[in-house]
Amino acid sequence: QKEVEQDPGPLSVPEGAIVSLNCTYSNSAFQYFMWYRQYSRKGPELLMYTYSSGNKEDGRFTAQVDKSSKYISLFIRDSQPSDSATYLCAMSAVYNQGGKLIFGQGTELSVKP
Amino acid sequence: DTGVSQDPRHKITKRGQNVTFRCDPISEHNRLYWYRQTLGQGPEFLTYFQNEAQLEKSRLLSDRFSAERPKGSFSTLEIQRTEQGDSAMYLCASSLSSKSRETYEQYFGPGTRLTVT
Repeated sequence: QKEVEQDPGPLSVPEGAIVSLNCTYSNSAFQYFMWYRQYSRKGPELLMYTYSSGNKEDGRFTAQVDKSSKYISLFIRDSQPSDSATYLCAMSAVYNQGGKLIFGQGTELSVKP
Repeated sequence: DTGVSQDPRHKITKRGQNVTFRCDPISEHNRLYWYRQTLGQGPEFLTYFQNEAQLEKSRLLSDRFSAERPKGSFSTLEIQRTEQGDSAMYLCASSLSSKSRETYEQYFGPGTRLTVT
């Protein structure tokens, strides 16, 4: 079993829809949670960074962490065709002083005009 | 542009050849990471440096792989005797860690796409 599980999709939604992306994990030591966006053949771009449990909002993006359920989510409001990309969740354990990231497989999102 | 840069962006090589990739991190970042990403998968950790010290290596990093960061600035990743299974995107990332500030946010470069024929 992988430490981080993420549905690879693909997920297709109409423009303006609310998108929900999710990851589950098994390592209770994970404390730092990130979401990256990756366009085809490009490097990952950091979208959201959250420490421990709770919510964080940045524009159209909201990240949620539920450590009791080992479940994290990214919500995209008013989705745009430019949001079409692969979304990667990543996390790191507090005991790991180096900050090595463990990634999910990535969810491919397509927003149709 | 003050982001992470990588060179080359693409490399095609024949099996058995050696290849070397370069990464220039964000200038004030003292941590530098290498990851490998295959099609349809998330990046997998290979190794990381704090300044010039290589502090952790994944078991994915076979003895054909070597990484250096000689002056704590740019880094190189060399693959000797390449195999077709080495074909992947090699990503470099950097972050900042200091006594007064510890962050786990990593910023990635555009990657080097390696194709071994």
